[in-house]
Amino acid sequence: QQKVQQSPESLIVPEGGMASLNCTSSDRNVDYFWWYRQHSGKSPKMLMSIFSNGEKEEGRFTVHLNKASLHTSLHIRDSQPSDSALYLCAASGTGGYKVVFGSGTRLLVSP
Amino acid sequence: DMKVTQMPRYLIKRMGENVLLECGQDMSHETMYWYRQDPGLGLQLIYISYDVDSNSEGDIPKGYRVSRKKREHFSLILDSAKTNQTSVYFCASSLPTDAEQFFGPGTRLTVL
Repeated sequence: QQKVQQSPESLIVPEGGMASLNCTSSDRNVDYFWWYRQHSGKSPKMLMSIFSNGEKEEGRFTVHLNKASLHTSLHIRDSQPSDSALYLCAASGTGGYKVVFGSGTRLLVSP
Repeated sequence: DMKVTQMPRYLIKRMGENVLLECGQDMSHETMYWYRQDPGLGLQLIYISYDVDSNSEGDIPKGYRVSRKKREHFSLILDSAKTNQTSVYFCASSLPTDAEQFFGPGTRLTVL
């Protein structure tokens, strides 16, 4: 059964700092990665997706993907207290391959 | 307005009672999901539905069953609920199975 491992489990960064979150899949059939953000008491919402090797930037958020190592990372620059949330990584493959979520990284941005 | 709805939002049941959780979506998505979320365990897939009457077990289907008779509606049924089924349940929908998932607000179920 495919597993998605996220690290660290929790992370505290100062306001204005850089947060770096990691995610690795154990299954070579994986082709797609997503990052979801879940604020406390709310439902997950897709933040960014990445399907090709390399980097993708959207505002303060940057995602990297290395398909050879099945590793993706999410970097948040100029972190804000509103970025405090649970960040979930998800991975899936083509042809109806089920999406698997990691257990998440809990980010706290301290003012 | 793209939306996934869940009813009820909160539910308290006694052990052994039957539970029905309902989910609706207005995006005509073929694929729908039921997850449960427990502290420290992320989202665990219970069942996935590829379309009407086309359902498949997820990673933790034991103790649950589902029903999808209309594309926009997906139900999760717990026959004879157990205390270890206390959790937050999320429904989600997407186009193909490798696309972005849209989540409902969740149902907090407590089984006493």
